[in-house]
Amino acid sequence: AQSVTQPDIHITVSEGASLELRCNYSYGATPYLFWYVQSPGQGLQLLLKYFSGDTLVQGIKGFEAEFKRSQSSFNLRKPSVHWSDAAEYFCASRNTNAGKSTFGDGTTLTVKP
Amino acid sequence: DTEVTQTPKHLVMGMTNKKSLKCEQHMGHRAMYWYKQKAKKPPELMFVYSYEKLSINESVPSRFSPECPNSSLLNLHLHALQPEDSALYLCASSQARLAGGGDEQFFGPGTRLTVL
Repeated sequence: AQSVTQPDIHITVSEGASLELRCNYSYGATPYLFWYVQSPGQGLQLLLKYFSGDTLVQGIKGFEAEFKRSQSSFNLRKPSVHWSDAAEYFCASRNTNAGKSTFGDGTTLTVKP
Repeated sequence: DTEVTQTPKHLVMGMTNKKSLKCEQHMGHRAMYWYKQKAKKPPELMFVYSYEKLSINESVPSRFSPECPNSSLLNLHLHALQPEDSALYLCASSQARLAGGGDEQFFGPGTRLTVL
């Protein structure tokens, strides 16, 4: 069975500092991997996705993520965090189209002024 | 149009009420999903419709009844809910390609449901 682990429940960074949110997946083949962001009371917005090919993927809002098969990881990064990035971040995987997505438990990002 | 819309935004209902949540997309997507999300938790999949047919039911209680009248619409009919069913209900859609590639899910803003 697939599983997705986000080891950090809560991360606090200063505005302008760099950010890395960790995500590890457990699946035999290469899954489809996603990062979503959710502001309070809102739906999920897709930041970026990895299906195949280049292991460094660029997303919206200046985010990027790197797929590392050897480490079963898909960490999200941003070089300089803005106060508006404070939100809940979910890593997710899927192994088939129109199939079940597996979400990590989420990481809450707080941005200090 | 890359939007999934959900109505209503908020819903308060008693345990004996019958109500429905509505979801709509006009992106030509052929897979649609219902998720339930409790505070500070990830979304939990409830149902998946693929090409207007129910393909996944995650052992959801029968007081939740999904319906997919056409490829653009998805409803969730609610009856005799319990207070613990209070949550954010999210709808999503995706292209559901049958071969090759992957598809991303587009989420709606959700319906905040409170059961009294």
